[in-house]
Amino acid sequence: TQLLEQSPQFLSIQEGENLTVYCNSSSVFSSLQWYRQEPGEGPVLLVTVVTGGEVKKLKRLTFQFGDARKDSSLHITAAQPGDTGLYLCAGVGNAGKSTFGDGTTLTVKP
Amino acid sequence: KAGVTQTPRYLIKTRGQQVTLSCSPISGHRSVSWYQQTPGQGLQFLFEYFSETQRNKGNFPGRFSGRQFSNSRSEMNVSTLELGDSALYLCASSLVGVSNYEQYFGPGTRLTVT
Repeated sequence: TQLLEQSPQFLSIQEGENLTVYCNSSSVFSSLQWYRQEPGEGPVLLVTVVTGGEVKKLKRLTFQFGDARKDSSLHITAAQPGDTGLYLCAGVGNAGKSTFGDGTTLTVKP
Repeated sequence: KAGVTQTPRYLIKTRGQQVTLSCSPISGHRSVSWYQQTPGQGLQFLFEYFSETQRNKGNFPGRFSGRQFSNSRSEMNVSTLELGDSALYLCASSLVGVSNYEQYFGPGTRLTVT
């Protein structure tokens, strides 16, 4: 069974601060995805990383896939209240089966 | 292009009853996956259907079943409901083969079992 551990579980910061969320596993994934979920909604795909060492930027969000394709990080620069939500990472393994981490609940206070 | 739709959005059932949830994927997406989300267990994979066949299955009891129709729409059924089945049930569709299995989620069905 492939497991993904996310840390921290909860994060509460002030507007303008930077933060990093981690997603770790002992398993190798063919790709890894990050989602953001708001209350009462389904998760929304933010990015997919495929190549070990890959870095992708989406405005103030920077995503990195570990060299060994076992871990990933999400860094947010100058967080805003609109960034508040549940951040989920999902590793895609053999045959396309996805394993989700437990999520990081981010609260950005104005 | 319309997103993934799920019906109903909210449902209240009594222990012992059964329930059927429906999911319509994004047009052209042939893979549909179902997940159960609870505060304590996070997002747990139930099963995936592709071309009307169950392709992957999670670790849920046989009370949880599903099917997919020729138009890729999918239904999920839970029989003999238990209190612990109260959760947000999410459906996700994907364009298999070209998208690194990127999944697009619907808004979910909030099931409450009393």
